[in-house]
Amino acid sequence: QSVLTQPPSVSAAPGQKVTISCSGSSSNIGNNYVSWYQQLPGTAPKLLIYDNNIRPSGIPDRFSGSKSGTSATLGITGLQTGDEADYYCGTWDSSLSGWVFGGGTKLTVL
Amino acid sequence: EVQLVESGGGLVQPGRSLRLSCTASGFTFGDYAMSWVRLAPGKGLEWVGFLRSKAYGGTTEYAASVKGRFTISRDDSNTIAYLQMNSLKTEDTAVYYCTRDRIYCSGGSCYPYYMDVWGKGTTVTVSS
Repeated sequence: QSVLTQPPSVSAAPGQKVTISCSGSSSNIGNNYVSWYQQLPGTAPKLLIYDNNIRPSGIPDRFSGSKSGTSATLGITGLQTGDEADYYCGTWDSSLSGWVFGGGTKLTVL
Repeated sequence: EVQLVESGGGLVQPGRSLRLSCTASGFTFGDYAMSWVRLAPGKGLEWVGFLRSKAYGGTTEYAASVKGRFTISRDDSNTIAYLQMNSLKTEDTAVYYCTRDRIYCSGGSCYPYYMDVWGKGTTVTVSS
């Protein structure tokens, strides 16, 4: 059972928009920065969003992040088949003194 | 090019030890904190532990699942981070990734707030 809760799967058609939620508590999301990671099949994870809503260089603006209270959301617009991947949220947990990831969400582009 | 390359994985019996290496290039290794993250078969990402740079004390934090069994260290002169894994269990079977961490300091404590570079991983299989 992960400290951060994500839906196991989401799906949408090409060109559509999808959101992935990440729910935590005051000891993690509520008081720390959230980052998001994309893991394409058979590859290493890659940083997608940091500081709740900042995209690293090279990440398209189709990807966005937001945070409100103890929850965070990843948004992806203009879905492409190449976006099919596992997506993870992550943050520091001050009570655990450790980094925590969500359980991961598998995105299927129908 | 900024790069992390893990090595040292393999098949090991339960109760034995293994040391993984993470060789860095393309950046000033000593300036950065490093973490190890693993992905077990059929599971999600799990953070293993974190080592601050010497400028921030060179101290470590570990996940409860590995605390007391795993140790992270670094050799800044050779730009290598290590993960020493002792008393291995079958549930330690996973792909192990090293990451470069950006840290955030607040209230006298510094901790990772995102992992901006990941290696390709090395596979550890614990089985008799």
